[in-house]
Amino acid sequence: TQLLEQSPQFLSIQEGENLTVYCNSSSVFSSLQWYRQEPGEGPVLLVTVVTGGEVKKLKRLTFQFGDARKDSSLHITAAQPGDTGLYLCAGAVHPYNAGNMLTFGGGTRLMVKP
Amino acid sequence: DTEVTQTPKHLVMGMTNKKSLKCEQHMGHRAMYWYKQKAKKPPELMFVYSYEKLSINESVPSRFSPECPNSSLLNLHLHALQPEDSALYLCASSQVLQDEKLFFGSGTQLSVL
Repeated sequence: TQLLEQSPQFLSIQEGENLTVYCNSSSVFSSLQWYRQEPGEGPVLLVTVVTGGEVKKLKRLTFQFGDARKDSSLHITAAQPGDTGLYLCAGAVHPYNAGNMLTFGGGTRLMVKP
Repeated sequence: DTEVTQTPKHLVMGMTNKKSLKCEQHMGHRAMYWYKQKAKKPPELMFVYSYEKLSINESVPSRFSPECPNSSLLNLHLHALQPEDSALYLCASSQVLQDEKLFFGSGTQLSVL
């Protein structure tokens, strides 16, 4: 079983602060996907990182994929109350013609206070 | 249309009931998935259908029975569930290609009494 360890589990910060969420595994994944989930809704994809060492930016969010494709991080600059939510990393493997199997990390519950 | 539609949104059932969860997408995706999410936990994969054939079953008990009648529909038939099966059941779809993103529905919140 491939496991993804995500940290921290909970994060409560003030508006304007920066934060980083980490996602680590002993296994190699074909890609790492980051999702955000609101209460009562399904996860929504933020970004997919595929290449070792890859860095992607989405406005105030910066995503990195480790060189060995086993770990990833999400950095949020100048957090806003609208960033509040559950952030999930997910490692993807792709059995032949069997879709994309995602293994989710434990999630990080972020609360940004005004 | 980039939506995955799940019905019902909420379901309460007894341990002797039979019920079905439904999922529909019209994005032309040929991979569809069922995930189970317990409160304050991440989603866990249950089943994967690829080209309408069951490709992955993650050792799910037989009281959960998936069905993919066509490329747009995915059902999950429930029978003789236990209270510990209470959870949010999420359907998702994607292209079969590697590293394609998953589109998730809003889920069915199931309570087993």
